[in-house]
Amino acid sequence: GENVEQHPSTLSVQEGDSAVIKCTYSDSASNYFPWYKQELGKRPQLIIDIRSNVGEKKDQRIAVTLNKTAKHFSLHITETQPEDSAVYFCAASSSGGSYIPTFGRGTSLIVHP
Amino acid sequence: DSGVTQTPKHLITATGQRVTLRCSPRSGDLSVYWYQQSLDQGLQFLIQYYNGEERAKGNILERFSAQQFPDLHSELNLSSLELGDSALYFCASSLLAPSTDTQYFGPGTRLTVL
Repeated sequence: GENVEQHPSTLSVQEGDSAVIKCTYSDSASNYFPWYKQELGKRPQLIIDIRSNVGEKKDQRIAVTLNKTAKHFSLHITETQPEDSAVYFCAASSSGGSYIPTFGRGTSLIVHP
Repeated sequence: DSGVTQTPKHLITATGQRVTLRCSPRSGDLSVYWYQQSLDQGLQFLIQYYNGEERAKGNILERFSAQQFPDLHSELNLSSLELGDSALYFCASSLLAPSTDTQYFGPGTRLTVL
C-alpha cells in the first residue's frame, strides 16, 4: 500500500519568514495530493490540493509543488503569520482505488511573533 | 463550516461500555470515512462507506463497527471500550468521483474513556 513520509515533524519560524513542509509517497498510482491544516482540537481543513497533471498550484500565500518523477510534493507558506501556527498534514490517494488517502504524520508549525 | 456534522461533540464513558457516534455527510456526498486521532497521532483511517455499502477497511478493531443508512448518515459503534480508545473521532465525506475526491471533515467527537 501507499506510504507517505512527512518532514519535518516540527517547524519553528519567525513571523514573515517562509515555511516549507515536504512529503514523499511510494505508490506511483497516487494522483491526488491534498494538504490539511488542523488547529488544536479542531477538524482538519483542506487548504490546498494538487492533482498529478499539475506541477504547481498557488493560492495567495500558499503553494504546493509536485514532482511525480521523484514522488515528492511540498507545501510552501510565504510571509508566515502567527495564525498559521497549526499542524499540517499531507496526504496521497489514487482515484483508481477507493480514494482512501494515506496521511503523513503531520508537521507542527509554530510561527513566533 | 465544512457541511459535515457529527454528534455528540464530547462523550465521557467508562471502560467496558458501548457508545455510538453519528455523522451526517455534506449534502450530495455519497461516501463517508471514519478516522481516529489519538493524542499526538496522525489520522488513522478506520472504515469507509459508499452509498450504504462498506467500501474499504483500515485499522478498525473488531470491537468497532459502522454502518451507513439509506439517508446516508453513518454511525460508528464502539464497544467494550478500553482506556486506549480515548481519542478524537472524525468523520469525513466526499462525492467519490474521479475528479471530486476531496474529503471534508466534520468537527469530530472527543471520546474519553475513564
